[in-house]
Amino acid sequence: DAKTTQPNSMESNEEEPVHLPCNHSTISGTDYIHWYRQLPSQGPEYVIHGLTSNVNNRMASLAIAEDRKSSTLILHRATLRDAAVYYCILSGNTGKLIFGQGTTLQVKP
Amino acid sequence: EAGVAQSPRYKIIEKRQSVAFWCNPISGHATLYWYQQILGQGPKLLIQFQNNGVVDDSQLPKDRFSAERLKGVDSTLKIQPAKLEDSAVYLCASSSMTGGAGELFFGEGSRLTVL
Repeated sequence: DAKTTQPNSMESNEEEPVHLPCNHSTISGTDYIHWYRQLPSQGPEYVIHGLTSNVNNRMASLAIAEDRKSSTLILHRATLRDAAVYYCILSGNTGKLIFGQGTTLQVKP
Repeated sequence: EAGVAQSPRYKIIEKRQSVAFWCNPISGHATLYWYQQILGQGPKLLIQFQNNGVVDDSQLPKDRFSAERLKGVDSTLKIQPAKLEDSAVYLCASSSMTGGAGELFFGEGSRLTVL
């Protein structure tokens, strides 16, 4: 299973944009890039996913590098409720998700 | 739409006892997963079902863990006998898709404490 590398932690100010990076240099051509987040005492929650093109939804945007070896999750205006662990995961043909350590995002008021 | 249901939410047992967790996935979701999440770590996949068949159980400690999904709907994860290191949150997830584009929906988890 292809692996991802994320910073252990990041800080942001409330109402400012947040860019969460992820490196996945061993990604294969059929791997999808998924982002999930986990709030304290809850199960992980889907945020966004993409294959090659940038993606937008109501929660966030996903920017994928042209060579697909890295991606960035963009939260356009961070709120205190966005404080969570964010996981960047590659998903192959089986659909299973192999989680890493993720990035702990702190949002300061 | 109802989410993934898990029970019990909390369980405390002594080592060498047994415990069972139950999961009811979202209606119509053919794929079901069990994950183990130890405090401070990301979730670790234990087993993946497609309908009532096992797709991947390579990370399931089969000497003490077992899981079944007999009718392709709800599932049970059992630990017997439990060890101290089994203290964790056990998460169930389901998906309507089998490929890499599928979104997983997670339950709130069952927190196990082994004393």
